[in-house]
Amino acid sequence: NAGVTQTPKFQVLKTGQSMTLQCAQDMNHEYMSWYRQDPGMGLRLIHYSVGAGITDQGEVPNGYNVSRSTTEDFPLRLLSAAPSQTSVYFCASSTTPGGWQETQYFGPGTRLLVL
Amino acid sequence: GNSVTQMEGPVTLSEEAFLTINCTYTATGYPSLFWYVQYPGEGLQLLLKATKADDKGSNKGFEATYRKETTSFHLEKGSVQVSDSAVYFCALSNAGGTSYGKLTFGQGTILTVHP
Repeated sequence: NAGVTQTPKFQVLKTGQSMTLQCAQDMNHEYMSWYRQDPGMGLRLIHYSVGAGITDQGEVPNGYNVSRSTTEDFPLRLLSAAPSQTSVYFCASSTTPGGWQETQYFGPGTRLLVL
Repeated sequence: GNSVTQMEGPVTLSEEAFLTINCTYTATGYPSLFWYVQYPGEGLQLLLKATKADDKGSNKGFEATYRKETTSFHLEKGSVQVSDSAVYFCALSNAGGTSYGKLTFGQGTILTVHP
C-alpha cells in the first residue's frame, strides 16, 4: 500500500493563478480531508468528505474548492491564488466518516508558495 | 467549540532527559484525544491516542493519560533520544454536533534533543 499520496511536493504560483493539489489514498477510506499548516497555528481544516459525492466545509474554506468523484481521490483547487495561501497542505484519510476515535493517515504534504 | 492548547515551544533537551509537553483541551461531550508527531520533512503520523477518560495511550516510550477532571492529555517520555526531535501536535476529535469526526489541533511543540 502506498497510503496517502500527494502531488506536487512543492509549487510556486503567482498571485491570481489557479492550480489543483492532488491527493489519493489506496486504503479504501471513506473519510478524507485537507488541512493547511501555518507556523504557530497547528493544522486547520479546509474541507472534508465523508464519501464519494459528499463534501463539506471546514474551518478555513474560503478560496478553495473540492470534489470527490471517487473514493480514492480528493483534489483541492485553488481558484485564484493569494499570498495568504502560502502554506503547507496536508491531505488525510480515515476509515469511517464519523470515526471520531479513528486514526487519521496523513500524506507527506505539498509546500505552496504564492508570490 | 473545540480547542486545544499546547505548551509554548521550542523545547530543547539533552539526550536521556525527561520530557513533558502539556496539552489541555476544551470540548463538549467525550472527545478522543491524540498525539501526532511530525518528523522533519514528513507528514504527521499518529504517536498515541486515548478514547475515554483515564485511558493511557503509549507508544515508543511515550505516554499520555486522558484526564477529564483537568481536561488534559500531557505527553511524557522518561528518556528522550536524538531521534525524538520532531514537532508534536496534540489533537482531539469529537462525535458531537458539527465537529463530527474532525480533528482539532494544538499549535504544535518543536522538540530538539541534543547528544
